[in-house]
Amino acid sequence: GENVEQHPSTLSVQEGDSAVIKCTYSDSASNYFPWYKQELGKRPQLIIDIRSNVGEKKDQRIAVTLNKTAKHFSLHITETQPEDSAVYFCAADNTGNQFYFGTGTSLTVIP
Amino acid sequence: NAGVTQTPKFQVLKTGQSMTLQCAQDMNHEYMSWYRQDPGMGLRLIHYSVGAGITDQGEVPNGYNVSRSTTEDFPLRLLSAAPSQTSVYFCATNDRGGNTEAFFGQGTRLTVV
Repeated sequence: GENVEQHPSTLSVQEGDSAVIKCTYSDSASNYFPWYKQELGKRPQLIIDIRSNVGEKKDQRIAVTLNKTAKHFSLHITETQPEDSAVYFCAADNTGNQFYFGTGTSLTVIP
Repeated sequence: NAGVTQTPKFQVLKTGQSMTLQCAQDMNHEYMSWYRQDPGMGLRLIHYSVGAGITDQGEVPNGYNVSRSTTEDFPLRLLSAAPSQTSVYFCATNDRGGNTEAFFGQGTRLTVV
């Protein structure tokens, strides 16, 4: 199987600062790495994803980097806003059939 | 389009009771899956299906059954509920398999007493 570890479990930042969440995975066959945001009481929703043939991807204030050699990938949120407060999950897919999720990071942006 | 619809939103069961969590999608996706979400443990895959008539086990399948008779529906059955099955359950769909975005239903909060 695949094992995904995510750190930190909680993160507090001042509004306008950057936030970084890191994940590692164990299976070198994993080739798809999505990030999901889950607001309290809501469903997870995809915010960005990256495939193994790409090292970095950016979408406005959100970016993801992937280091295949080290088997880790990271989510970067710049210029954080209070509405960024949520739980963020990373995931890895090694078979094309199932995601393995990290345990989540609860991000709080302090106004 | 409704996307992915789960029913019920909340349910309380007594130990030993059975029930079915419903999941329906109108996105014409072939791939459907069930996850459970527990505090501090992220989302864990219970069962998945890559098309009508085909199902397979995920990480935590024990105590759950599924079937996929149509593209649209993927019900999850608890045969004899246990307190350890208290969780939030999410159904999800993907187009063409796991290497694509998963769209989640709104979740079912299940409590087994």
